Amino acid sequence: DSGVTQTPKHLITATGQRVTLRCSPRSGDLSVYWYQQSLDQGLQFLIQYYNGEERAKGNILERFSAQQFPDLHSELNLSSLELGDSALYFCASSVDGANVLTFGAGSRLTVL
Amino acid sequence: GIQVEQSPPDLILQEGANSTLRCNFSDSVNNLQWFHQNPWGQLINLFYIPSGTKQNGRLSATTVATERYSLLYISSSQTTDSGVYFCAVEGLGGGADGLTFGKGTHLIIQP
Repeated sequence: DSGVTQTPKHLITATGQRVTLRCSPRSGDLSVYWYQQSLDQGLQFLIQYYNGEERAKGNILERFSAQQFPDLHSELNLSSLELGDSALYFCASSVDGANVLTFGAGSRLTVL
Repeated sequence: GIQVEQSPPDLILQEGANSTLRCNFSDSVNNLQWFHQNPWGQLINLFYIPSGTKQNGRLSATTVATERYSLLYISSSQTTDSGVYFCAVEGLGGGADGLTFGKGTHLIIQP
């Protein structure tokens, strides 16, 4: 167990729907990162939060949004889902935002 | 952005063999990490190694930052070493782009 908790582990939904993925970082870690892993794109950085504030933004679609709450957990919201959004979504955390990452087990999203 | 190339893409070895995985990157970095993704999908951080050499049991890594490459050595391979090994880097510009991952080396250790 890495200490980074992601829920749900698996999610199956239909095109056009909206889902929320949740992440609790390791105790003491202030920074949360979201990554998407798909067969064609590999591991892609989506977004980073540090102590509640957005710090860096990567290849995140406008249909996707995220936030980090005062208790440091984070949520990734995916809306107007398309077949191509099917992927493994990872959350990672680090102590100080220096990008030394500990990953959660991932949330596997299937869009039908 | 920074480019990361890993080689070989696939590697099949017998248990007990040694292996060397390579990561080339296109620009100077201030952060380089090696990860192992096991067959269940879990990503495990093996090394944070922007420069120099580190060892952890049967695994060791060396990064030659001036020549823009890193090597991961696995000795006396075990079947549990199977999976995909990723190199990930961050350029000197800082973390604005997050870590950039290579496509990985898919390692299969046969008993």
